[in-house]
Amino acid sequence: KQEVTQIPAALSVPEGENLVLNCSFTDSAIYNLQWFRQDPGKGLTSLLLIQSSQREQTSGRLNASLDKSSGRSTLYIAASQPGDSATYLCAPHRTPLVFGKGTRLSVTA
Amino acid sequence: DTAVSQTPKYLVTQMGNDKSIKCEQNLGHDTMYWYKQDSKKFLKIMFSYNNKELIINETVPNRFSPKSPDKAHLNLHINSLELGDSAVYFCASSQSTGQGSNEKLFFGSGTQLSVL
Repeated sequence: KQEVTQIPAALSVPEGENLVLNCSFTDSAIYNLQWFRQDPGKGLTSLLLIQSSQREQTSGRLNASLDKSSGRSTLYIAASQPGDSATYLCAPHRTPLVFGKGTRLSVTA
Repeated sequence: DTAVSQTPKYLVTQMGNDKSIKCEQNLGHDTMYWYKQDSKKFLKIMFSYNNKELIINETVPNRFSPKSPDKAHLNLHINSLELGDSAVYFCASSQSTGQGSNEKLFFGSGTQLSVL
């Protein structure tokens, strides 16, 4: 059974800082891994999807890496902004998608 | 147009009642899901349907019954509601079952269920 751990559970940084969110998972036989963002009272928004054959994926200020063999993924956020404040969840994908508990990020102006 | 829409957004009800949550997606996706997010914000799969057929049924009490009248809709009916059912329920959809594919999941905005 897949278990997903995200570290840290919460993070508070001043605006402009670069930061890294960590995700580890126990079953490396995955098809892909997705990073989601959840805003309070809202649903989840898919940020990045890394296929199992890829090492990283970039979208704007976001860069996600995947090391499938070691069961790890990181989400790098460059030049953080207050609008980045949200909970970030990683979800390694082998039917079904299994979620970590998320990292709650707060970026202060 | 909202891609995955669920109604109602909030649902407050008494223990023992029966209630339904509706979900519709206009993305033309084949697969739909129900997830439950508990008070600790832990998100867990409940059910998955592919082209109106049940493909995933996690350990969920049989008081919960999903119904898919067509592949664009997946409704969740809950009988004899209990206090522990209070949570946020999310509907989601994807293009296929995800086996060997690289499609993304699209989520609805959630239904906050409060059982009193």
